[in-house]
Amino acid sequence: AQTVTQSQPEMSVQEAETVTLSCTYDTSENNYYLFWYKQPPSRQMILVIRQEAYKQQNATENRFSVNFQKAAKSFSLKISDSQLGDTAMYFCAFAGDFGNEKLTFGTGTRLTIIP
Amino acid sequence: DAGVIQSPRHEVTEMGQEVTLRCKPISGHNSLFWYRQTMMRGLELLIYFNNNVPIDDSGMPEDRFSAKMPNASFSTLKIQPSEPRDSAVYFCASKDRGRSSGGSDTQYFGPGTRLTVL
Repeated sequence: AQTVTQSQPEMSVQEAETVTLSCTYDTSENNYYLFWYKQPPSRQMILVIRQEAYKQQNATENRFSVNFQKAAKSFSLKISDSQLGDTAMYFCAFAGDFGNEKLTFGTGTRLTIIP
Repeated sequence: DAGVIQSPRHEVTEMGQEVTLRCKPISGHNSLFWYRQTMMRGLELLIYFNNNVPIDDSGMPEDRFSAKMPNASFSTLKIQPSEPRDSAVYFCASKDRGRSSGGSDTQYFGPGTRLTVL
């Protein structure tokens, strides 16, 4: 079974600054997918970014990028030029290949952007 | 696309009553997932279906919980009888066939159903 660990329960940063959220995982699978989801107070789960383990290049989506270190089983999220709308819970999640496609979530990091 | 649709958005019921949660996945998606979110246990999978067939129901708490997917566009999660410890937010998510078939492995979530059992 896989596990996902987020060691930062809460973080805060000034608006326009850069923040990095940490995530580590453990798995014996070779093909898998990693995700960061955002959950604002509305509780909607919103995909932020995804990474396929077979791709060495780190994924980027506008102000969001990841640092994927497969050997270290690390998958951190960097938010640049943070905005007030980035305030939310952020969940790191793991999904395996066919037959093991469920998402295994970390416990989340509550991020607050300070005006 | 309308996204994943869940109903009801909020449900308040008395202990012992039957509760039915409903989900309509994104059209064309062939996998459907039910998750539960609580403060104590976080986000956890209850059950998921591929092509309407249950693949992994290891997260279903006990016999009081049952899930069905009679066709590709509809699924239900039923709790009978409900208990206060079932109070949680229940999410439905769907995804398409995945990389091996040229699709995405991303799960898209519905807005959730907040269930309160008194």
